[in-house]
Amino acid sequence: DGGITQSPKYLFRKEGQNVTLSCEQNLNHDAMYWYRQDPGQGLRLIYYSQIVNDFQKGDIAEGYSVSREKKESFPLTVTSAQKNPTAFYLCASRRTTRDRGQPQHFGDGTRLSIL
Amino acid sequence: AQKVTQAQTEISVVEKEDVTLDCVYETRDTTYYLFWYKQPPSGELVFLIRRNSFDEQNEISGRYSWNFQKSTSSFNFTITASQVVDSAVYFCALSEAGLDGGFKTIFGAGTRLFVKA
Repeated sequence: DGGITQSPKYLFRKEGQNVTLSCEQNLNHDAMYWYRQDPGQGLRLIYYSQIVNDFQKGDIAEGYSVSREKKESFPLTVTSAQKNPTAFYLCASRRTTRDRGQPQHFGDGTRLSIL
Repeated sequence: AQKVTQAQTEISVVEKEDVTLDCVYETRDTTYYLFWYKQPPSGELVFLIRRNSFDEQNEISGRYSWNFQKSTSSFNFTITASQVVDSAVYFCALSEAGLDGGFKTIFGAGTRLFVKA
């Protein structure tokens, strides 16, 4: 079955450490997204990518970095510059960003905590 | 600015009750899409429905129905005869034009629904 796979499900970060969250999709979608979810705040966009080797900052990109070397993969690195990384991170994809009517498909999420 | 407001943070009902989740949006776009997603305890958001700004017909799908009213900028979601499996967080969302010509999605804060047996 096609879908989005996020790993790991749970991740712990030490002070000063960078950690990378994996997101892989086999839906052949062009666009991929990373969201951060905090209690009571809904989903906030971190980064998105419309095509391989291209990505754009979202609303809360500071302290995060991404890459899009393959269509299927969009890893998110939470750097030590992100001082409050504890949250639930969701990866999503959409066939294309050019059609605003298309819904997004989501992974199961990664819960990141500080040690 | 584009904005989606879900004023109800949490709702608790007893099984078989009807429940309506409210969603109010703001946009300057004349063409836009609205969505509802469900987030069960497993964490994955599941797409439920979309509605474009030119289609104000209400929609019913089984126990779910949606009332889109452009005049009041609202897109409310009703669950009839609620069941325990409906317990989840529900998000209303609005498509937004990005600066690069693509489209992004603006999510409301979500409404957590508890359905008690």
